[in-house]
Amino acid sequence: EAEVAQSPRYKITEKSQAVAFWCDPISGHATLYWYRQILGQGPELLVQFQDESVVDDSQLPKDRFSAERLKGVDSTLKIQPAELGDSAMYLCASSLGFWTSGTYEQYFGPGTRLTVT
Amino acid sequence: AQRVTQPEKLLSVFKGAPVELKCNYSYSGSPELFWYVQYSRQRLQLLLRHISRESIKGFTADLNKGETSFHLKKPFAQEEDSAMYYCALDSSYKLIFGSGTRLLVRP
Repeated sequence: EAEVAQSPRYKITEKSQAVAFWCDPISGHATLYWYRQILGQGPELLVQFQDESVVDDSQLPKDRFSAERLKGVDSTLKIQPAELGDSAMYLCASSLGFWTSGTYEQYFGPGTRLTVT
Repeated sequence: AQRVTQPEKLLSVFKGAPVELKCNYSYSGSPELFWYVQYSRQRLQLLLRHISRESIKGFTADLNKGETSFHLKKPFAQEEDSAMYYCALDSSYKLIFGSGTRLLVRP
C-alpha cells in the first residue's frame, strides 16, 4: 500500500542553524500539506500546495520558513535560522483532493521530530 | 473564528465500558467534521467522517449542529482502541485539529 514518506525521521540542530525536511506524497496526489505539531497539541497547517502552487501559507512564518514543491511531486520545508520554539513534529500529508475524489481524506507521513538546542 | 475543542486530554476506561470522546466546534456555515486516530508507533489516519455516517471499528459520531458537537462514541471499549484521537474540522479544504484526547482502555 502506498504511503507518504518523510525524511529524516529525527533531527537535532542548534539554534540559528538551517534545517530542511523532505516529503514524498502518494503518487498521483495533487494536494500536499505541511503541518507542525507542538507537544500536547493537534497538528497546525503551515502550508498547502495544489500541484506546484501554494494554496495557503497564511500560518507559515515566512521570515524563517520556506516551502517548495518544484515539480508538483515531492516537497521540501526549510527553516533558517532555527529557533528553540521550532522544536516540534513536522508532518506531511497528501490528498487526491475533493474535486478529484469527492473526499477530503488526507494521508499522513510518519513525521520528522525536530529538536532545537 | 474556526476552532475545535477537545476538553479531555486523557480518558481512561476499563475494557467493555462505553466510551465517549467529546468534540465541540466553532464554525460559521455547514461544517465537515472528521475523527483521526493515531495508534502507538503508527501514523495519523482517518477514522471516520460525519458526512458518510458510517461506523468504523464500532465507533460512531453524530453531528449535533444545535450543540455544535461531534462526539465519538463506542458502546464497548477494547484494549486495541487505546490511542490518541483528534477531532478535525474542514475549513476551505484545510483541516483544523483539536488538541486531541488520549484514550486508555485498561484490561
